[in-house]
Amino acid sequence: DTGVSQNPRHKITKRGQNVTFRCDPISEHNRLYWYRQTLGQGPEFLTYFQNEAQLEKSRLLSDRFSAERPKGSFSTLEIQRTEQGDSAMYLCASSQGQGGGYGYTFGSGTRLTVV
Amino acid sequence: AQSVTQLGSHVSVSEGALVLLRCNYSSSVPPYLFWYVQYPNQGLQLLLKYTTGATLVKGINGFEAEFKKSETSFHLTKPSAHMSDAAEYFCAVSEVKEKLTFGTGTRLTIIP
Repeated sequence: DTGVSQNPRHKITKRGQNVTFRCDPISEHNRLYWYRQTLGQGPEFLTYFQNEAQLEKSRLLSDRFSAERPKGSFSTLEIQRTEQGDSAMYLCASSQGQGGGYGYTFGSGTRLTVV
Repeated sequence: AQSVTQLGSHVSVSEGALVLLRCNYSSSVPPYLFWYVQYPNQGLQLLLKYTTGATLVKGINGFEAEFKKSETSFHLTKPSAHMSDAAEYFCAVSEVKEKLTFGTGTRLTIIP
């Protein structure tokens, strides 16, 4: 068990560019979650998957954001036409059952800086 | 709707002193409650959780928390602070669904 892996750890991009992040959850976990954490704040829920199905999306997830989890394994989070307000730490977490009951295992995050 | 309030964005204690980090929650149903710790440039690590049963919950690294329904509180304590405890601590609540709602965090500084 290598934990939840996120790549890249850091990403600097110019405003207007597209970026994609990857998350590899713990292999036996069927739930996968994406959160966003801005400076001085706690993580905020973006979306989650049960296996390959995306079951809930936050209002924070604008049309420029898309997440996928093909085959119920790794997940990608893409941001199109990045804006400076997208600068944040993007955290991925996984859980065997309902994360709200069991608690999550978080990855180390991808820090995005939009310049 | 569920929410969490963490009183004190910054707390400083001397090494060896009691650590007390405060958390109050709001929930329309019996909540599940969590404390996470975050070290610089890292993800969050689960310290402890309350689901049902015993209201005093013990976690890792000597931390514990007590669920007090009448006070809607879930304060985190540790009898004796260690330098390695310096980090940011987040309280979170769940209404037994998929997502957690986090507080804004408390940065703990340990004074040698």
